[in-house]
Amino acid sequence: QKEVEQDPGPLSVPEGAIVSLNCTYSNSAFQYFMWYRQYSRKGPELLMYTYSSGNKEDGRFTAQVDKSSKYISLFIRDSQPSDSATYLCAMSVPWGQNFVFGPGTRLSVLP
Amino acid sequence: IAGITQAPTSQILAAGRRMTLRCTQDMRHNAMYWYRQDLGLGLRLIHYSNTAGTTGKGEVPDGYSVSRANTDDFPLTLASAVPSQTSVYFCASKGTGPTDTQYFGPGTRLTVL
Repeated sequence: QKEVEQDPGPLSVPEGAIVSLNCTYSNSAFQYFMWYRQYSRKGPELLMYTYSSGNKEDGRFTAQVDKSSKYISLFIRDSQPSDSATYLCAMSVPWGQNFVFGPGTRLSVLP
Repeated sequence: IAGITQAPTSQILAAGRRMTLRCTQDMRHNAMYWYRQDLGLGLRLIHYSNTAGTTGKGEVPDGYSVSRANTDDFPLTLASAVPSQTSVYFCASKGTGPTDTQYFGPGTRLTVL
């Protein structure tokens, strides 16, 4: 079993839809959870960052962590064509220098 | 410079040739990383450096070497390139705070023929 699992997609949704992206993990020591967005032929850029369990909201984006289920989610409300990208989850232990990345989910938002 | 730069942007290389991918950051981050990204496999850590003068092996280090002579630069060398090293290579850096995250460069697209 991989340490972090993520459905690779592709996921296609119409503009305005609510998108749910998810990752599961096996290491209960992970405390920091991140979502990166990667546009085609670009480097990943940090989108959201959460610590331990709970929700964090930033505009149209909400990150959710359920440590009891070892499951994290990223919700995108009112999705836009500009949200079309690959979304990678990442996680680390406290003070950890190395992150573990999911393989990424490719999202297409159709106008 | 703002952030992380990588060079070259892309390269086609004959098998058996030596190649160095360059990475420079201006954020004074202590930690730096090299990843390769392949379709279906995601980002895989090749080598890392927690501070200048130290390096460590990641998940897929074979065929690659790194050095960290100073804080800003972290070159990745392929001593004798093979076709399986065809990939997109990303350099990243990170500060030492408990909530610091990794910042990525734009990537180098390498093709080994």
